[in-house]
Amino acid sequence: EVQLVESGGGLVQPGGSLRLSCAASGFTFSSYWMHWVRQAPGKGLVWVSRINSDGSSTSYADSVKGRFTISRDNAKNTLYLQMNSLRAEDTAVYYCASYDFWSGYYISWGQGTLVTVSS
Amino acid sequence: NFMLTQPHSVSESPGKTVTISCTRSSGSIASNYVQWYQQRPGSSPTTVIYEDNQRPSGVPDRFSGSIDSSSNSASLTISGLKTEDEADYYCQSYDSSNQVFGGGTKLTVL
Repeated sequence: EVQLVESGGGLVQPGGSLRLSCAASGFTFSSYWMHWVRQAPGKGLVWVSRINSDGSSTSYADSVKGRFTISRDNAKNTLYLQMNSLRAEDTAVYYCASYDFWSGYYISWGQGTLVTVSS
Repeated sequence: NFMLTQPHSVSESPGKTVTISCTRSSGSIASNYVQWYQQRPGSSPTTVIYEDNQRPSGVPDRFSGSIDSSSNSASLTISGLKTEDEADYYCQSYDSSNQVFGGGTKLTVL
């Protein structure tokens, strides 16, 4: 069974940092591109970042560029999102998702982890 | 960058058919695949349509997708509506550098 389990969310003050993790199992993690997608409370889905299968290529939404860093450890089947200089508008549930490069769709989603940026 | 525009909400009765639209602001709707995701309250999204009109295994054939180049839009059609179909639905597409989601449509089955 495919599983994506996010962790690392919580309450952080503006300007602070958090590192999210996404543990993958049930599929060949190293073969898939991975993405982070977030959803602010009561709002829609917003793409945040993506990384290719071997970690050599990354991309970010303009809203997080220069503040967030996506990475992966294929030996540990784990995806990461390092979030620095956090702002109130970064408050959201963060989902990791596996991605089919050829079709352009999200195959599986995690359950999400809530990040709250507030003083 | 382009945008995908969906109606904020739609409602229909059980057993009926509903169609949700997703209009691309620039560039051809046919240039990149369109996907549709269902998100029930308190749950993660799940795929109901990928590659414009393909259903993942386990998704009932009551769900269908299509694209219309003349209106530069994609559509999700759900027939034989059930109360369990009540959820938010998001379209999604991409270009060379970005993933784009529509704003979501709340489907009420009443």
